[in-house]
Amino acid sequence: AQSVAQPEDQVNVAEGNPLTVKCTYSVSGNPYLFWYVQYPNRGLQFLLKYITGDNLVKGSYGFEAEFNKSQTSFHLKKPSALVSDSALYFCAVRDRVYSSASKIIFGSGTRLSIRP
Amino acid sequence: DVKVTQSSRYLVKRTGEKVFLECVQDMDHENMFWYRQDPGLGLRLIYFSYDVKMKEKGDIPEGYSVSREKKERFSLILESASTNQTSMYLCASSFARRQGTEKLFFGSGTQLSVL
Repeated sequence: AQSVAQPEDQVNVAEGNPLTVKCTYSVSGNPYLFWYVQYPNRGLQFLLKYITGDNLVKGSYGFEAEFNKSQTSFHLKKPSALVSDSALYFCAVRDRVYSSASKIIFGSGTRLSIRP
Repeated sequence: DVKVTQSSRYLVKRTGEKVFLECVQDMDHENMFWYRQDPGLGLRLIYFSYDVKMKEKGDIPEGYSVSREKKERFSLILESASTNQTSMYLCASSFARRQGTEKLFFGSGTQLSVL
C-alpha cells in the first residue's frame, strides 16, 4: 500500500534563511512524487514533481526537491525563504505501477511560517 | 489557464439533507477527483472518475456518491448529510495521459458545515 508521511506539522523559519519541509514515502514499486502548496482560502497549486532522471527537481517560486531512493524521502527546499512562502505544503506520491485504481496519496500537510 | 470551478465557496446544511457539490473544469480533462481536507489528516480521496459515467471509490466513499454525466462536470452527493461530513471539499482534474504523471488542478474548495 502507498503512504506518505510529513513528520512536521509546522516549520518556522526566518526570512532569508534556507528552509526544508520533510517528506518520506512508501510504495511497492518506484514512485512518482509531487509537492503542492495551498495559500489561505485557495485550492492547492502544483509546485513540482519527480518522475525520473535527475534526483534534484526544480519547481515554481524558487523551490526544489531532492529525491533520495535509499532514504525514501523527497524533501522540499528553498535556499532563501520569503514571507510570501508562508502556506500549507502537501507532499504526494503515486505508485509507478499505474492503473485506473492507482491514486495519488497526500500527506497530512506541513504549515510553513516565515517570520520577517 | 486551466480552470476548475466549484459552485459554492461556503455551504451550510442541516443534518439529513441531501447535498450536491458541483465541479466543472474547462480543459477537457479525462480524470476528475473529489477530496476532503481536514486539519491534521491532509487530503483524503472520496471518489474519482477517469471517464464519463465511470467512477471509482477512493479511500473514504461511505456516505457519498458521485455523478459524471458530462466530461466537464463531476458532482459529489451527500445522500443524508451528517455532522461528521463538515469539512473542506476539494475538486481536482487532470489529463489521463502519461500514465499517472500528470499534475492535478484544484478548485478553490467548498467549506461545508452540517448543523
